Amino acid sequence: EVQLVESGGGLVQPGRSLRLSCAASGFTFDDYAMHWVRQAPGKGLEWVSGISWNSGSIGYADSVKGRFTISRDNAKNSLYLQMNSLRAEDTALYYCAKGPSSSWTDYYYMDVWGKGTTVTVSS
Amino acid sequence: SSELTQDPAVSVALGQTVRITCQGDSLRSYYASWYQQKPGQAPVLVIYGKNNRPSGIPDRFSGSSSGNTASLTITGAQAEDEADYYCNSRDSSGNHLPFGGGTKLTVL
Repeated sequence: EVQLVESGGGLVQPGRSLRLSCAASGFTFDDYAMHWVRQAPGKGLEWVSGISWNSGSIGYADSVKGRFTISRDNAKNSLYLQMNSLRAEDTALYYCAKGPSSSWTDYYYMDVWGKGTTVTVSS
Repeated sequence: SSELTQDPAVSVALGQTVRITCQGDSLRSYYASWYQQKPGQAPVLVIYGKNNRPSGIPDRFSGSSSGNTASLTITGAQAEDEADYYCNSRDSSGNHLPFGGGTKLTVL
């Protein structure tokens, strides 16, 4: 069974950092692009970042560019999101999602989603 | 603000057909994908590409596109189809993957 399990969320003060993780199982992780998508409380979905199978191509939403860094460790079947200089508006449920191919730009949809991890930015 | 625009809410009578639309300039060049999200659950992909359904998605769900508008059609809506629906595609620069604002579907 294909599964994505996010972790690392929590309560953090504005300006601080947090690192999210996503553990993948049930598929050959290094064959596929991956994404982070977030959803603020009561709001819609927002794509945050995408990364190709070999980390050679990475993209970010303008709202997080320069503050967030996506990365992956194919040996550990894991995806990460390093979030720095956190703001109140970063408060959201963060989903890890799998792309259908090795490139996040050639096939730009997400076919498997995790259940998410909650990040709350507040003093 | 999203580069993809959806109607905030749509309603349909049980068993009838409903179309949910998504507008954006990038849709002239890129396909939209569609996601269903029920309260407290993660999104589920229902349509991708020209008009493809993942395994397990009922064939009452279909997708189409014309000009700058992509559509998700549910033919014979069921009570379990009541959910939020989001479109997603590449933006005009090709470097971002924005979602539409979402459409809340109510089945009457």
